[in-house]
Amino acid sequence: DAGVTQSPTHLIKTRGQQVTLRCSPKSGHDTVSWYQQALGQGPQFIFQYYEEEERQRGNFPDRFSGHQFPNYSSELNVNALLLGDSALYLCASSLVTSGRDQETQYFGPGTRLLVL
Amino acid sequence: AQSVTQLGSHVSVSEGALVLLRCNYSSSVPPYLFWYVQYPNQGLQLLLKYTTGATLVKGINGFEAEFKKSETSFHLTKPSAHMSDAAEYFCAVSKPSGSRLTFGEGTQLTVNP
Repeated sequence: DAGVTQSPTHLIKTRGQQVTLRCSPKSGHDTVSWYQQALGQGPQFIFQYYEEEERQRGNFPDRFSGHQFPNYSSELNVNALLLGDSALYLCASSLVTSGRDQETQYFGPGTRLLVL
Repeated sequence: AQSVTQLGSHVSVSEGALVLLRCNYSSSVPPYLFWYVQYPNQGLQLLLKYTTGATLVKGINGFEAEFKKSETSFHLTKPSAHMSDAAEYFCAVSKPSGSRLTFGEGTQLTVNP
């Protein structure tokens, strides 16, 4: 049973560029959440996708956008990259049962983004 | 709003000693609570979770945590530390009705031989 996978594993970009990160959820899961983990800090919630729509959003600017596909995989897009966007980006998947109650989030290995 | 405070950004123990990692939370509704572990250059792995029911929760690798509502705490313990326990540990809280996780800043656990 494949777990959560993310690609690429590492990425180097320059300021002002755009980046797309990808996530495939654990088999059977329908919900994908994205988190940003800056060096030495805990993960910060970016947004969550369920049924191809953004369900919740954290305190991140509109430069951060996402998408969920019919097969439940997801993309995170960041435009106009800033140095401060350098971080580990984590994807987590879960299964929302009957639209209620927290189900466990399983995390992928992350994509490490470096903005120069 | 929910928040998590992890007391002690670094904890060092000897192999075989008790591990105690502290977590206090703030939540306006009954919380769901989690402990995750992160090894270097890896993602997060769930150790254990509390949703409802029994307040003493047992997880993987011999870890356990107790939900104490009166103290708003969810401390993580392990009776005997192993070298392989060296990692960063994160406490997280969420609302029952939504699955957004709010994490603490993490505690780096070092195990000395």
